[in-house]
Amino acid sequence: DAKTTQPPSMDCAEGRAANLPCNHSTISGNEYVYWYRQIHSQGPQYIIHGLKNNETNEMASLIITEDRKSSTLILPHATLRDTAVYYCIVRVDGSARQLTFGSGTQLTVLP
Amino acid sequence: EPEVTQTPSHQVTQMGQEVILRCVPISNHLYFYWYRQILGQKVEFLVSFYNNEISEKSEIFDDQFSVERPDGSNFTLKIRSTKLEDSAMYFCASTRGTGRQGIGYTFGSGTRLTVV
Repeated sequence: DAKTTQPPSMDCAEGRAANLPCNHSTISGNEYVYWYRQIHSQGPQYIIHGLKNNETNEMASLIITEDRKSSTLILPHATLRDTAVYYCIVRVDGSARQLTFGSGTQLTVLP
Repeated sequence: EPEVTQTPSHQVTQMGQEVILRCVPISNHLYFYWYRQILGQKVEFLVSFYNNEISEKSEIFDDQFSVERPDGSNFTLKIRSTKLEDSAMYFCASTRGTGRQGIGYTFGSGTRLTVV
């Protein structure tokens, strides 16, 4: 699976959009971008994933650049409960292989 | 929404004792996993299980560890002789399968294992 790079921490004001970047310059054509988050000491939670088109669900939006070398997870209206570590993971879809977690980005939503 | 259930939420054990961590995956899921997270460190993969056998395991998953699906619902992780360094949060996860069905993994809330 391709390696990802994320900033170690970010702050965001409550009610504002949180934009979390991820670089995955070595991504290959059959690899998807997945986002998970981990609220303090809880199990990781799946957020969203995509291949090359932008994706949106009830939790977030995922914007993938045209060259697929980077992506941004957008939480449109961040709340205090969105404070968590966010993980960007690149992996082949259709695989039930393990997830490899990096250090992620600690997002702190400030009141 | 379906959940992965883990018990107990917290277990304290003496070094050298055996522990069994229990998980009930989502009922229609076919792939099961154990991960662990030592305090302040990354989430680490231990083992994956499919069709009643281990499909993948990490270097961490040595002979002290074993997994079992004793019936149609439970999925267990056994540590035979616990060491201090086994103290961690242990997360169980499951997924429906491969392809477009394998949208995401569902994790349980974890068992905090403390070895004293």
